[in-house]
Amino acid sequence: ELKVEQNPLFLSMQEGKNYTIYCNYSTTSDRLYWYRQDPGKSLESLFVLLSNGAVKQEGRLMASLDTKARLSTLHITAAVHDLSATYFCAVASYNNNDMRFGAGTRLTVKP
Amino acid sequence: SQTIHQWPATLVQPVGSPLSLECTVEGTSNPNLYWYRQAAGRGLQLLFYSVGIGQISSEVPQNLSASRPQDRQFILSSKKLLLSDSGFYLCAWRGAGDQPQHFGDGTRLSIL
Repeated sequence: ELKVEQNPLFLSMQEGKNYTIYCNYSTTSDRLYWYRQDPGKSLESLFVLLSNGAVKQEGRLMASLDTKARLSTLHITAAVHDLSATYFCAVASYNNNDMRFGAGTRLTVKP
Repeated sequence: SQTIHQWPATLVQPVGSPLSLECTVEGTSNPNLYWYRQAAGRGLQLLFYSVGIGQISSEVPQNLSASRPQDRQFILSSKKLLLSDSGFYLCAWRGAGDQPQHFGDGTRLSIL
């Protein structure tokens, strides 16, 4: 069974600081997705990582994938308040039909 | 462009009442469709997914059921709601290949 673990689950940061969120998964997969969810809202797609060593960047967020370690990271650079949200990673199953989500990391950026 | 519609946005139902939530997708054909439930402050629990009309995969045994009567329509139902069915229900679609899922706005369901 595909399992996805994220840590930390809660993250409180000062503005301007850097931090990394980790996503580990249990079985072979080379399709890893990151999403953002604002309070009370739905999820929006941030990054799609499809191969070992893939790196994607958008603004202050950078995501990477190591399929051999079954690990993805979401790195936050010089955090700003607008980044406060819950971030989820998700992994596609071997048949590419179902998707399993991590528990989410609730990020709060404080001034 | 593709869009996903999910309704209603909020719903308050008494225990033991039936449920029907509907989700439709426009602008794409033969999408994979998904129903998730999110408890307050928690992650997403995959309930059902469908790869085609009439094809439903159930992930969690419970008193919910799903149907896909048309290619771009996905319905979540229950005959008798339980208190534990409260939560935020999200419908999502995904196209062929390696695209990410696209989520509807969700239905916030409260059971009294």
